[in-house]
Order: sequence, then structure tokens, then C-alpha cells
Amino acid sequence: DAGVIQSPRHEVTEMGQEVTLRCKPISGHDYLFWYRQTMMRGLELLIYFNNNVPIDDSGMPEDRFSAKMPNASFSTLKIQPSEPRDSAVYFCASIWGANTEAFFGQGTRLTVV
Amino acid sequence: GESVGLHLPTLSVQEGDNSIINCAYSNSASDYFIWYKQESGKGPQFIIDIRSNMDKRQGQRVTVLLNKTVKHLSLQIAATQPGDSAVYFCAENFNKFYFGSGTKLNVKP
Repeated sequence: DAGVIQSPRHEVTEMGQEVTLRCKPISGHDYLFWYRQTMMRGLELLIYFNNNVPIDDSGMPEDRFSAKMPNASFSTLKIQPSEPRDSAVYFCASIWGANTEAFFGQGTRLTVV
Repeated sequence: GESVGLHLPTLSVQEGDNSIINCAYSNSASDYFIWYKQESGKGPQFIIDIRSNMDKRQGQRVTVLLNKTVKHLSLQIAATQPGDSAVYFCAENFNKFYFGSGTKLNVKP
């Protein structure tokens, strides 16, 4: 397996634009996590899914953020409208079972200008 | 007060020496713990894990120690190499994964 695949690797967008980040988890994994990493706040869990169902979205900062998982092999994190303070590296991770290690993607570096 | 961002603890060690990175976790009900290594420009990568029914677990050049009494984890790296330079995170799992702020390890040649 190629691991967790995220796209794009880098995204630069203007304030107010919609941004969509994509993630393909490892085949067979039943949990998917979205994290945001910044120097200010470290690695924050935004939302996670189990069997494609959102379980906990308490980390989603505000209504501008939304995440979907239409099937077991694909998830999106959308920010609409984007703001400069959303600039961060966004990671997707997947695991099999509840108590196993998470495999992270390479991340998407988002810059909102 | 003014927020100045996370102060990332930094550990500097000489190549060949042993490194010990510490982590305090928050939830006494957490039953699974992981150490991750994050190199610049990459996502965190799994190093070693330990379950709450164990106190110690060894891997290749790495050892994790768990002290449930004081909610403390440590990662020991033997014979530290330049390739070990990275940020190290501990994570605890209680319903979901909680990450610590990380420790930066600098290995001096």
C-alpha cells in the first residue's frame, strides 16, 4: 500500500476562497482523522470518522470547516470561506481498530493570503 | 496574557550518546500510548507503542517506559544518530488520540 495519500501537497489561496483538502486512507483502515498543525497550537485533532461516520467533530474550529467521508477510500476537509488564520499544515491519518498506531499522510501546507 | 505560541522543548545530545525524551499525559483512563517522530516537512511516523498493562517496551534502539502512577511516559534512544534529529510526540488514546506538544531533538555530530 502506498500509505495515506493527501492532495494537494501545497495550496495557496486568497482569503474568502473555498479550499478543499483530500485524503485517501490506507485500504482496510476503519478510522480516519484530520489534524491541523501550527506553531501556535501544535497538532490539533479536528474530526475523526469510524466506518465513514463522523464520530467527534468537537475540534472543528467553526462552521467554516466541514469534513465528509463519502466512502471508505476518500475524505475531504473543506474550508469556506478561508481566512489567513487557517494557514497551517493539515494532516490526514488512518488506523485499523481503535488501539493501534495511526499512519499519517505527508500533509497539505495551506497558505491563505 | 499575550500568546506567543508553543514553546517547543529542545534536547541537544552528542552523536552516540543516549537520549531521553519525557512526556506527561493527562487522562488516567488512557490505555494506549504511542511515540511518533516527525521530520521536517513530513507527517508524524510511528516509533513504538505501549499498552497500559505494561511498564516497559523495547524496540530497535528505542525503549518506552510508562509510569501510570504519575502519568508519565519516556522515550529512550540508544546511541543517538544524526538521523534521529526530529520532533518527537507522545500520544495517548482514550476514545481519541491526544497529542502532546512535542520535543525537538538536536543531534550534534
